[in-house]
Amino acid sequence: GENVEQHPSTLSVQEGDSAVIKCTYSDSASNYFPWYKQELGKRPQLIIDIRSNVGEKKDQRIAVTLNKTAKHFSLHITETQPEDSAVYFCAASPADSSYKLIFGSGTRLLVRP
Amino acid sequence: DVKVTQSSRYLVKRTGEKVFLECVQDMDHENMFWYRQDPGLGLRLIYFSYDVKMKEKGDIPEGYSVSREKKERFSLILESASTNQTSMYLCASSLTSEAFFGQGTRLTVV
Repeated sequence: GENVEQHPSTLSVQEGDSAVIKCTYSDSASNYFPWYKQELGKRPQLIIDIRSNVGEKKDQRIAVTLNKTAKHFSLHITETQPEDSAVYFCAASPADSSYKLIFGSGTRLLVRP
Repeated sequence: DVKVTQSSRYLVKRTGEKVFLECVQDMDHENMFWYRQDPGLGLRLIYFSYDVKMKEKGDIPEGYSVSREKKERFSLILESASTNQTSMYLCASSLTSEAFFGQGTRLTVV
């Protein structure tokens, strides 16, 4: 089945700097890759997603890139702010099950003021 | 606004007890999921359901079962709770791609 690996497990950046989180997946037929943000004590929420027919997607300060050949995708956050501090999860949707999501292990991002 | 509600925020149970975790969604979603969240392991899929009375095993179904008698409700059952099932349990629902999560149930088995 699908396996998703996520790095790094923790990331500390200075406010205003950029942050990059990377994920790799194993099923080359997976076609949907969302990113979820979980603030302390709260539920995970979708922040951005990308489908396999697109290489990059942006939404204000966040962007996601996808390299299908290498089977990896990344989350980029520019001009980080303290409110970006949270745990971020990547996920992949296996080809044999369009609505099932397999998540990575998570990245704890700390933005230092 | 999609609402996914889990019946308990915190639960403490004894080893060997039968435990029911309930999840209700109000958006008529076809798909419902149960995940457990452990530090360093992310969200691991236990069971999911595409429709009423349908269920499929996820990556870690051992020690768990589920029930979906109505479209809006998906229950996770621990037949005989063990200490290694102490965890945060998250329910989610979806219509297509985006999953909406409940607030989570922190279960402690003593």
